[in-house]
Amino acid sequence: GENVEQHPSTLSVQEGDSAVIKCTYSDSASNYFPWYKQELGKRPQLIIDIRSNVGEKKDQRIAVTLNKTAKHFSLHITETQPEDSAVYFCAASQDSGTYKYIFGTGTRLKVLA
Amino acid sequence: KAGVTQTPRYLIKTRGQQVTLSCSPISGHRSVSWYQQTPGQGLQFLFEYFSETQRNKGNFPGRFSGRQFSNSRSEMNVSTLELGDSALYLCASSLDAGSGRELFFGEGSRLTVL
Repeated sequence: GENVEQHPSTLSVQEGDSAVIKCTYSDSASNYFPWYKQELGKRPQLIIDIRSNVGEKKDQRIAVTLNKTAKHFSLHITETQPEDSAVYFCAASQDSGTYKYIFGTGTRLKVLA
Repeated sequence: KAGVTQTPRYLIKTRGQQVTLSCSPISGHRSVSWYQQTPGQGLQFLFEYFSETQRNKGNFPGRFSGRQFSNSRSEMNVSTLELGDSALYLCASSLDAGSGRELFFGEGSRLTVL
């Protein structure tokens, strides 16, 4: 069945360092890949997304890369700050029709000051 | 603009009971989807509704059901509650138009089954 694997489950980095979270999807029909950030006790919020016709997308300190052949996509956060500490979820979906998102199991990122 | 509203925020039930959760989407959003969040399992898709029709369903037993009303408000129901149903249930709404694929989540309903 459809599945999204996400690694690592926890990640600790020093403030100012980079963080990378990786996801692998199984459904070849997936063509839309968003990332959501959930701070402690709060609702998940979209931080960046990428469609399959693009290999990389960047928004300030955040970037996402996509390798369609390998069915991999990754989130890169540079110059991490304490406020980046949160749980990050990747997801795979199709860019039309139903809003069925298959989410990864999440990565708890801790930025150490 | 008001966000996605879920009620109740917290509830405690016992095994065998049933529960109904409510979700009011952002005004103008016609798609409402539901997710179960548990530690270690992430966000698991339950179902999605659009214009009062269920468009897709996740891999949950038939004890989990939902519906959507003409004003786009949605409810989900869990019957014959089990201990494993304890979770945060998140509802999300979306525009369902063009590139409007962003999910806007509510704060969730935290269900504890004793």
